[in-house]
Amino acid sequence: DIQMTQSPSSVSASVGDRVTITCRASQGISSWLAWYQQKPGKAPKLLIYAASSLQSGVPSRFSGSGSGTDFTLTISSLQPEDFATYYCQQANSFSPTFGQGTKVEIK
Amino acid sequence: EVQLLESGGGLVQPGGSLRLSCAASGFTFSSYAMSWVRQAPGKGLEWVSRISGSGDSTYYADSVKGRFTISRDNSRNTLFLQMNSLRADDTAVYYCAKTISPGDHSKTFDYWGQGTLVTVSS
Repeated sequence: DIQMTQSPSSVSASVGDRVTITCRASQGISSWLAWYQQKPGKAPKLLIYAASSLQSGVPSRFSGSGSGTDFTLTISSLQPEDFATYYCQQANSFSPTFGQGTKVEIK
Repeated sequence: EVQLLESGGGLVQPGGSLRLSCAASGFTFSSYAMSWVRQAPGKGLEWVSRISGSGDSTYYADSVKGRFTISRDNSRNTLFLQMNSLRADDTAVYYCAKTISPGDHSKTFDYWGQGTLVTVSS
């Protein structure tokens, strides 16, 4: 299976901050990468697909980049509703795998 | 509007069985591959199984292979997960998830159900 490693595991930030989360795949996955946001007690929500495509209805402060093995999710100006856990997921192999998650907390 | 509604979760003893259902609406169900993804309490997301739109092709995580069976009834727009020989480490919220593109190759999930909790304990 392809292993996905996110960093950091958690980040403390303030409203208005720029936040960057990275995700590394154990082997090349081209651009087959998605990012999800999950709030406590809720299902994950798709933010970014194909590494850099913004899902419909997702605010433009979210952006994704990367290809191959290294990917980044950036929140350009953190809003109160963005405090959540974020997961990357590779969609390249028959067995999709997720990163371990990055929790974005209030500073 | 796409809706996915899981049911069938509950408390079951180790070694027992449970069948989960996911009722889908708002899209052409038979055109999309569907997956089950689970999340143990306080843990991350783990993909469990996937089935093609026609139901002809199925895939499983190694952790459930031989114990879980995914199926679908396209006439009823319903996805199923039959879980046998359940273990304590199967305890999790189970989500059904729709793939973003029609066809059988997409593994990006654009809609998720609310989840159903399965607890395996004596």
